[in-house]
Amino acid sequence: GIQVEQSPPDLILQEGAISTLRCNFSDSVNNLQWFHQNPWGQLINLFYIPSGTKQNGRLSATTVATERYSLLYISSSQTTDSGVYFCAVLPNTNAGKSTFGDGTTLTVKP
Amino acid sequence: DTGVSQDPRHKITKRGQNVTFRCDPISEHNRLYWYRQTLGQGPEFLTYFQNEAQLEKSRLLSDRFSAERPKGSFSTLEIQRTEQGDSAMYLCASSPSLRTGNYEQYFGPGTRLTVT
Repeated sequence: GIQVEQSPPDLILQEGAISTLRCNFSDSVNNLQWFHQNPWGQLINLFYIPSGTKQNGRLSATTVATERYSLLYISSSQTTDSGVYFCAVLPNTNAGKSTFGDGTTLTVKP
Repeated sequence: DTGVSQDPRHKITKRGQNVTFRCDPISEHNRLYWYRQTLGQGPEFLTYFQNEAQLEKSRLLSDRFSAERPKGSFSTLEIQRTEQGDSAMYLCASSPSLRTGNYEQYFGPGTRLTVT
C-alpha cells in the first residue's frame, strides 16, 4: 500500500516563527488532506489539497502531486498552533482507503 | 449541519465483554469511514461504506470486529470479546457524494475505548 512520511516528527519554535511541515507519499493520489488534532483528539480540517496551493489566514499549503509531496506552512506561529498535524492521502488506486502519516508534533514557545 | 457525531465518547469495559459504538455522519454524505488511533500514531483505516455497502475492510479488522450501516445513514462498530490491545480511539468520518468528485473527509470526536 501507499506509504506516507511526515517530517519532522517534532518541531519546536518560538512564537512568531514560520513553521514548515512536510508530507511525502509513495504513489499517485487523488486526495490529500491536512488536519490538526486538538488535545481532545478531534481532527480539525485544515486543507483539502490534492494539488496546487491554498491559503487560509496564516496557514497555507502546497501539494506537488508529480513529485509526491505536500507542505504546510504556518506563518507567525502562535502558542495556540501547538499540537499534532497529520496529512492523509487517498491513492488513485483505491478511492476509499486513506492512509495517514504519523504526524508532526508542533510546539510553539512564547 | 451538526457535523459527524459519535456515541459514546468514552467506554471502559472489561476484557471479554462486547462493545458497540455508533456514528452519525453528516447528512447526505454517502461515504462513511472507521479508523482506529493509538497513542503516538496516526489514524489507521479499518473499513468504509458507500451508502449501505461495505466496500473494504482492513486486515486490522479481525473476526471480532464487525461494522454495519443498514440504511445508509448511521453506522455501528461492534467489537466482540474485547482484548486489552483493543484499547484505542475509534474515529468515524464521512465524505460527500461521489458525484462531486469530492473525497474530503470530516471526522467525529471519536470514542475512546479502555479495556481493563
